[in-house]
Amino acid sequence: EIVLTQSPGTLSLSPGERATLSCRASQSVSSNYLAWYQQKPGQAPRLLIYGASNRATGIPDRFSGSGSGTDFTLTISRLEPEDFAVYYCQQYATSPRTFGQGTKVEIK
Amino acid sequence: QVRLAESGGGLVKPGGSLKLSCAVSGLNFGDSYMSWIRQAPGKGLEWVSYISPSGRSGSTLYYADSVKGRFTISRDNAKKSLYLQMNSLRVEDTAVYYCARGHYELGYWGQGTLVTVSS
Repeated sequence: EIVLTQSPGTLSLSPGERATLSCRASQSVSSNYLAWYQQKPGQAPRLLIYGASNRATGIPDRFSGSGSGTDFTLTISRLEPEDFAVYYCQQYATSPRTFGQGTKVEIK
Repeated sequence: QVRLAESGGGLVKPGGSLKLSCAVSGLNFGDSYMSWIRQAPGKGLEWVSYISPSGRSGSTLYYADSVKGRFTISRDNAKKSLYLQMNSLRVEDTAVYYCARGHYELGYWGQGTLVTVSS
């Protein structure tokens, strides 16, 4: 099983600042089969990024994904008020599919 | 417009059973892999199960070890519906259960249905 470890656990930033979220895998994620999701309280997760770096339909270009192998990053270039939420990474290279434990981006 | 709507959640005693449903519209259900993902209160996400589109020899099924032998995923393409039969429920199965399209990245999600297992 691929274990995904996200860091930091909580990121305290102000609107307009840049957010950098990390997702580290316990073994290489083949074909960069890694996705990122955003979840707000009381809502279902929303797909942001798939294939490590491809934005899903309708996702603003301030969200970008990068990385390969075992180290992946989600960057939000300039935080908007609606971006404060919990973010999860997920790998789909192997079964079981696994998620990271999440990073909360909160308003400083 | 794509819509996934779960139903069937509720309060059940340990050892009991519950069947969740997910009604899908706005996408080609018959050609879609479908998944169930759960989220315990205040916790992260756990992939529970997925099912492939129906083929000549049936569907490919996947279950997390935590539910294998207790949960059964199924689909009815005519009704555009996904199901999760949950038996021998445990306190640790308490969670919001989401249905989602796909078995790689999950592009569409329902709003979730809460299952509470408690005596």
